[in-house]
Amino acid sequence: DIQMTQSPSSLSASVGDRVTITCRASPSISNYLNWYQQKPGKAPKLLIFAAATLHSGVPSRFSGSGSGTDFTLTISSLQPEDFATYYCQQSYATPPWTFGQGTKVEIK
Amino acid sequence: QVQLQESGPGLVKPSQTLSLTCTVSGGSISSDSDYWSWIRQPAGKGLEWIGRIDTSGSTNYNPSLKSRVTISGDTSKNQFSLKLNSVTAADTAVYYCAREVSLGYSYGDYYHGMDVWGQGTTVTVSS
Repeated sequence: DIQMTQSPSSLSASVGDRVTITCRASPSISNYLNWYQQKPGKAPKLLIFAAATLHSGVPSRFSGSGSGTDFTLTISSLQPEDFATYYCQQSYATPPWTFGQGTKVEIK
Repeated sequence: QVQLQESGPGLVKPSQTLSLTCTVSGGSISSDSDYWSWIRQPAGKGLEWIGRIDTSGSTNYNPSLKSRVTISGDTSKNQFSLKLNSVTAADTAVYYCAREVSLGYSYGDYYHGMDVWGQGTTVTVSS
């Protein structure tokens, strides 16, 4: 199976901060990488697919980049509603799909 | 728009079978190119993909659960179901159903992602 590793596992930031989360795949997954946002008690929401394409309705402050094994999710200016846990997920070739362990973004 | 709703017992005894159903509204599980998935999340932990079924009834499972899992579909009721047998406390989790769709295409392959999720249902395995 493809292993997905996120870092950091948690971070503290203030409203307006620029936040970057990293996801590493082993082995390479080209750009078959999705990002999800999950708030407490809620189901995950798809933010980004194909490593860098924003899903419909997702604010432009979210962006993704990367290819191969290294990927990043960036929030350019953190908003109060962005405090949540973020997961990367690979969809390369055939299942099983695997998720990173998550990155919790907390209020500083 | 498409909505998904999980249903089933919230408490299952060890060694028994966990059975959940996902009811789809606003869309059809017979829709070509869509997949219907199950994902779980133990309390305070990350997401684990369990498996999926497509419109033809073809399934894919997580190898770690494959020997215990069955996912099936009922097009007449527009539902799909999860059965997980021989459960233990380690199977206690919130179980989500989700729709997996093709979001884009590049160089001979599709990008897939889970764009619609149910609200999740908590299943506890305990005697």
